Amino acid sequence: QKEVEQNSGPLSVPEGAIASLNCTYSDRGSQSFFWYRQYSGKSPELIMSIYSNGDKEDGRFTAQLNKASQYVSLLIRDSQPSDSATYLCAVDSGFGNEKLTFGTGTRLTIIP
Amino acid sequence: DGGITQSPKYLFRKEGQNVTLSCEQNLNHDAMYWYRQDPGQGLRLIYYSQIVNDFQKGDIAEGYSVSREKKESFPLTVTSAQKNPTAFYLCASSIGAGTQYFGPGTRLTVL
Repeated sequence: QKEVEQNSGPLSVPEGAIASLNCTYSDRGSQSFFWYRQYSGKSPELIMSIYSNGDKEDGRFTAQLNKASQYVSLLIRDSQPSDSATYLCAVDSGFGNEKLTFGTGTRLTIIP
Repeated sequence: DGGITQSPKYLFRKEGQNVTLSCEQNLNHDAMYWYRQDPGQGLRLIYYSQIVNDFQKGDIAEGYSVSREKKESFPLTVTSAQKNPTAFYLCASSIGAGTQYFGPGTRLTVL
């Protein structure tokens, strides 16, 4: 059974600080990695995708991937109250397979 | 205005009743998916379809059925065989093995 593990939180971060969200996965064949943000009662929306080892930056968000350690993270700089949500990590099944496996999510609260 | 629509937003099912959830996309995506989310849980895959007239079971297909007669549409039927159907149901679509985009969801409650 392919697994994606996330710390469920809640993770509390002061406004303006850096929030760090972590995810580990079990399938070494995975090629594509995604971070989704989900507000309470709403559907997930894509924040970042990453496919190669290293960092990928988009505005205040940075995704980091380390395939050797089977680890992917999301950093949120200058955290805002609007960043308070559950963040879902998703990993593909490898070799072009469309299926994604989702973690249970980390609930992030930004404290004003 | 492209996107994924799901209807209804809220649905109530009586014991022993089949209900059908609608999912339509105008993104010209080939692949479509159905997920179930329970409170405090991640998304679990029910069924997915990579092409018209073909679909595969996901991790929790028992008690559910789907059809894919058109590229744009992927309805999900929750049958009476699904004993605990109360959940948030999410439909998604993608271009092949790419990013999945989600509809707004349907919240199903058993009365």
